[in-house]
Amino acid sequence: GNSVTQMEGPVTLSEEAFLTINCTYTATGYPSLFWYVQYPGEGLQLLLKATKADDKGSNKGFEATYRKETTSFHLEKGSVQVSDSAVYFCALIPSGGSNYKLTFGKGTLLTVNP
Amino acid sequence: GAVVSQHPSRVICKSGTSVKIECRSLDFQATTMFWYRQFPKQSLMLMATSNEGSKATYEQGVEKDKFLINHASLTLSTLTVTSAHPEDSSFYICSASQAGYGRDTEAFFGQGTRLTVV
Repeated sequence: GNSVTQMEGPVTLSEEAFLTINCTYTATGYPSLFWYVQYPGEGLQLLLKATKADDKGSNKGFEATYRKETTSFHLEKGSVQVSDSAVYFCALIPSGGSNYKLTFGKGTLLTVNP
Repeated sequence: GAVVSQHPSRVICKSGTSVKIECRSLDFQATTMFWYRQFPKQSLMLMATSNEGSKATYEQGVEKDKFLINHASLTLSTLTVTSAHPEDSSFYICSASQAGYGRDTEAFFGQGTRLTVV
């Protein structure tokens, strides 16, 4: 079946540090890949996505590249801010089918200290 | 982006009682809504797909008589946890997609409901 594995947190960084949150997936074909962010007390928000191999999704300084050869979609940001503190979820939608069903990773809690 | 409102955000109930959770799309019509459950330090697990005007589609292993889903309008879906027990304590979250969804259509999430059964 389909699955998403992301690095376990929590991750604690100082402001302006470089961030990487690893995400690998298992799925047949070419799934669409997503990163969602959940700020404290709020619902999940789409951060970025990529729908085909070698695509790079980017938003708010975050980037992730769809790597088919390594089945990965690692999230990166060059300089994190305190306001980036949140839980980050990697997710996929399998190729084929007509339903919009997301398979999520377990989430990674990021805390950025001033 | 579009807004999905989920209510209540927290609820504590006694074992054996039923609890209803509402999920509303505030500024768009959602023909399809999804209900997820999240255990501590676990992934969000899809429980069911709620389709307006028809029966919900439940994922394998989810008891349909335990988790009643009603999608009575294009802006409202409800999840009722019937005869709740402590093992039903969890974080429940809904999402909604606009009409004509596909793989490239964004799903918008509610803020979630923390259910505690005592």
